[in-house]
Amino acid sequence: AQTVTQSQPEMSVQEAETVTLSCTYDTSESDYYLFWYKQPPSRQMILVIRQEAYKQQNATENRFSVNFQKAAKSFSLKISDSQLGDAAMYFCAFKRLKGNRDDKIIFGKGTRLHILP
Amino acid sequence: SAVISQKPSRDICQRGTSLTIQCQVDSQVTMMFWYRQQPGQSLTLIATANQGSEATYESGFVIDKFPISRPNLTFSTLTVSNMSPEDSSIYLCSVEDYRDKFNTGELFFGEGSRLTVL
Repeated sequence: AQTVTQSQPEMSVQEAETVTLSCTYDTSESDYYLFWYKQPPSRQMILVIRQEAYKQQNATENRFSVNFQKAAKSFSLKISDSQLGDAAMYFCAFKRLKGNRDDKIIFGKGTRLHILP
Repeated sequence: SAVISQKPSRDICQRGTSLTIQCQVDSQVTMMFWYRQQPGQSLTLIATANQGSEATYESGFVIDKFPISRPNLTFSTLTVSNMSPEDSSIYLCSVEDYRDKFNTGELFFGEGSRLTVL
């Protein structure tokens, strides 16, 4: 069974600084997706960034980038130039790429990120 | 992308009552997912709702407690029955993203329904 572990329940970063959120996962699969989702307080959960396991290049979306280490089963999220709007709960998630209809996304427990003005 | 509307956005309910949450999607989708998020916790999948068939429930969730309807490809309801304070949670509806009939793996979420049971 797949598991996703986020070892940092909470983190704080000064506005305009860089912060890295950690995520490790366990799977015997070779083809899968990894995701970072953002859930702002009382607002909708949205996708921040997505990585296909077969791609060696790390995904990047503006100020958000990942460090994907497949052998180490590590998938960290780096947020550069942190902004007040980045304050949210961040969930790391895993999904098999070629599964059957019973496949579902597995979420980590989340990391609450505080941005200090 | 898909736009998902959920109603109600929040409600305060009395113990022993039932509440139905509605989820409307702006496009036709095969599967709709219902999640529960207890305060400060991660998301737990309750069930997967396919149009025209019975919902598939995850371990720990039963149809009598969480009946689901899926009358068409854009709408679903989740009922939380005989509520107790332990049911106080955010309930989220979500759908998968398809681009050119390819499942990207991404989920789109509604804004959630925050239920407080007294």
